[in-house]
Amino acid sequence: NAGVTQTPKFRILKIGQSMTLQCAQDMNHNYMYWYRQDPGMGLKLIYYSVGAGITDKGEVPNGYNVSRSTTEDFPLRLELAAPSQTSVYFCASRNRGQGSETQYFGPGTRLLVL
Amino acid sequence: AQSVTQPDIHITVSEGASLELRCNYSYGATPYLFWYVQSPGQGLQLLLKYFSGDTLVQGIKGFEAEFKRSQSSFNLRKPSVHWSDAAEYFCALSYSGGGADGLTFGKGTHLIIQP
Repeated sequence: NAGVTQTPKFRILKIGQSMTLQCAQDMNHNYMYWYRQDPGMGLKLIYYSVGAGITDKGEVPNGYNVSRSTTEDFPLRLELAAPSQTSVYFCASRNRGQGSETQYFGPGTRLLVL
Repeated sequence: AQSVTQPDIHITVSEGASLELRCNYSYGATPYLFWYVQSPGQGLQLLLKYFSGDTLVQGIKGFEAEFKRSQSSFNLRKPSVHWSDAAEYFCALSYSGGGADGLTFGKGTHLIIQP
């Protein structure tokens, strides 16, 4: 199993540009998550999904959109990039059900908005 | 609202010395608790977790953590650190009643190992 994969690893965007961060998992997990990590701030939840076609906002959803058309994929979309979106983005997944709360993380995407 | 506090932003330890990283939480019930480690430029790797039962949990790489309900703490320990333990360590909690809630993370502790 590859686990959770993310592409690209690194990207530089200009202000106002858009891009999609890709995330895929091959563990047949129902739940998927997007977090952002800023220096000294830990990780904060952007969006999550409990299954194909179902998504919900996390703590910091403004400026982002998500979709979940398949169990495996959970892309994160930035429509109008802003310098405040410079961050490291992590995707994670887990099984559903009590006792399955362990989340498995991808390697991250480092995004710089200039 | 739930929260996780890691009081130490940086900790410096000599190689071979013991280590304790502090984690305190605020939650209405007993949460599920996790410690993750992040090496430079890498993703997060699970070190250990506490769901219920024995309050002393063993993890990978020789780490252990003790859940203390009375102190709302889940401190991470290692008896003898190695240079390869230098990394960022995150404590996190999860809702324990089922559901899809994300993890709530502390701000992390940066561990520096002195030779």
